[in-house]
Amino acid sequence: QSALTQPRSVSGSPGQSVTISCTGSSSNIGGSNYVSWYQQHPGKAPKLIIYDVSKRPSGVPDRFSGSKSDNTASLTISGLQAEDEAAYYCYSYAGTLFGGGTKLTVL
Amino acid sequence: QVQLEQSGTEVKKPGASVKISCKASGYTFTNYGITWVRQAPGQGLEWMGWISGYNGYTNYAQKFQGRVTMTTDRSTSTGYMELRSLRCDDTAVYYCAREGATPYAFDIWGQGAMVTVSS
Repeated sequence: QSALTQPRSVSGSPGQSVTISCTGSSSNIGGSNYVSWYQQHPGKAPKLIIYDVSKRPSGVPDRFSGSKSDNTASLTISGLQAEDEAAYYCYSYAGTLFGGGTKLTVL
Repeated sequence: QVQLEQSGTEVKKPGASVKISCKASGYTFTNYGITWVRQAPGQGLEWMGWISGYNGYTNYAQKFQGRVTMTTDRSTSTGYMELRSLRCDDTAVYYCAREGATPYAFDIWGQGAMVTVSS
């Protein structure tokens, strides 16, 4: 199977909100509520920031939120901060697929 | 604290095998699974497979079937991933990650192990 589709890059200014989409199909995102999101800074291991579409692990700020509609999952980061600049990956347990990744630039 | 500690950098020739370890600490190893994910230079994440820390049951990505073997040693709380018949495009950072605390997601990651395949 091909990777889930994410925009290659998004950008926003500090304090703004950005949304990153992750599009799949009915056999992965559309067929499951087990979608998670990971943040990865350069040279570092990924970090879990959202699981089960919209749940946040302990310690993850509530500026990070997740949602899903049909075959597309979305990650929204509100109140952008400089340290949010990183790559973001979605993952669907159904199909065991990662998205191609989105580079977030904080202007 | 809860952590996964991976083995170090490897340099291999095409056709060789590599075996990477992932030692767990700070939690009950048999209560969770270990997933292996790789990332080629400048590329995204790729799911390779999963192994149960409880009974060693495995599920491999079709792409790696026949070339990968994942095992565990419950006595040392360590997971292993062996990849055979290495090719240049297997050059990547290989990560292990814990699965199960947050269902079907990976909440703890190892630091990664760089594998370079070059003649």
